[in-house]
Parts: sequence; C-alpha cells; structure tokens
Amino acid sequence: ETGVTQSPTHLIKTRGQQVTLRCSSQSGHNTVSWYQQALGQGPQFIFQYYREEENGRGNFPPRFSGLQFPNYSSELNVNALELDDSALYLCASSWGGVRGDTEAFFGQGTRLTVV
Amino acid sequence: KQEVTQIPAALSVPEGENLVLNCSFTDSAIYNLQWFRQDPGKGLTSLLLIQSSQREQTSGRLNASLDKSSGRSTLYIAASQPGDSATYLCAAPDNYGQNFVFGPGTRLSVLP
Repeated sequence: ETGVTQSPTHLIKTRGQQVTLRCSSQSGHNTVSWYQQALGQGPQFIFQYYREEENGRGNFPPRFSGLQFPNYSSELNVNALELDDSALYLCASSWGGVRGDTEAFFGQGTRLTVV
Repeated sequence: KQEVTQIPAALSVPEGENLVLNCSFTDSAIYNLQWFRQDPGKGLTSLLLIQSSQREQTSGRLNASLDKSSGRSTLYIAASQPGDSATYLCAAPDNYGQNFVFGPGTRLSVLP
C-alpha cells in the first residue's frame, strides 16, 4: 500500500455544484498530479503541481483548478459540475515530476458521481 | 504528442499460463515507462518502473522489457494465478515529461 491518500472515497453531487477533492502525497514527494478516469478508459492528465506551482495542464477547462500546499498535499476543485465529470479521480505522488527517476504512486481514487 | 496503445484489449486464460501484454508508444524520447495494475473501481498499483537506460526490470513473476527504438514495452507474467486478474496499464511520459500518457489497458482474467 502506498502512502498516498485521497478523500473522500465516494461523492455524489448535483449538476452545477462545486466539489473539492483532496490528496495527501507520499512522504518525501514534492509533485502531485491529478488524473480523470472515465469508465473503461485509461486515466487522462488534468494538471500537475510541483513545489506549490502548476507545472503542466492537460486538455481540461478552467473550471478544473487546483492547489498544492507547503506540505505538498493537494486539492482539486471542480466548479459548475457537469454530468460528464462523473469519473474516478486519481492523484499521483512523485519526486521531481514525472521526468524524474523515481516511481509515481497513486492513491485509491475518489469516485465522483454527478446527477 | 505521445500516444500509447495496448494489445490485447482483453485476455482470458487458464491458471498457470505464461502471458505477454504489449504496449506501444509513439515518442521514443522517454525517460522511463511504468506499468500499473488496477483492480475494478480502485486506484493504480505500481508494478514496475523501467528507466530509459534499462532494457528489463523484474519483480517476482513479472518481467517488463523496454525497446525505445521500436517504441515498445512488454509485460511478461509467469505462471499466472487467479489473483492476477485485473486491468494492466502502461504509461509513458508525454513530450514535456510533465505527466504520464496511459494506454487503454489490458483486462486480464485468469480462470481457476
């Protein structure tokens, strides 16, 4: 089991609402990446935070935003939820970004359902 | 733009068989490649990380190879067991090395 924890594990929201998902990175890691995984597909990159700054962003609209805190934990915020936002949201922890020589470790994910 | 594909999409085998899962990527200028396992509705478990300077990496019954020149990686599972049933994903860094690009996965069922 990795040291990456995500909360909550499951969440049901109504279309138009806002949601915050949380991730605690593994000890010693300074990079957190967020991914969205729709059913039956591979994860899609949302954005990455490295030392509290956004360090790359995938093809997601601005209503997907994030933060990284001094302890390197992170939040993913999604505004104006749409039905298509229903997915498993995964957080990955690593050191030095993906380019580094160390492995990326994932949390157990947050299952978001938008109704 | 990095693109990752995996074949087969699904595989069903009897217990004890040796398996080969294939991963292809389009941009060979990668620093590493990582294989993951995902159980239904769960997060990703890291299986093996292969550095660009390596050609193989082994962990127990798992062996992963990397051929950058041909844009291919292979995950070999020896003596498969029902507990190996899961989806296996390979991931290669994108062109800027800022994130992983994942394949769609191979869904493996090992029958007792």
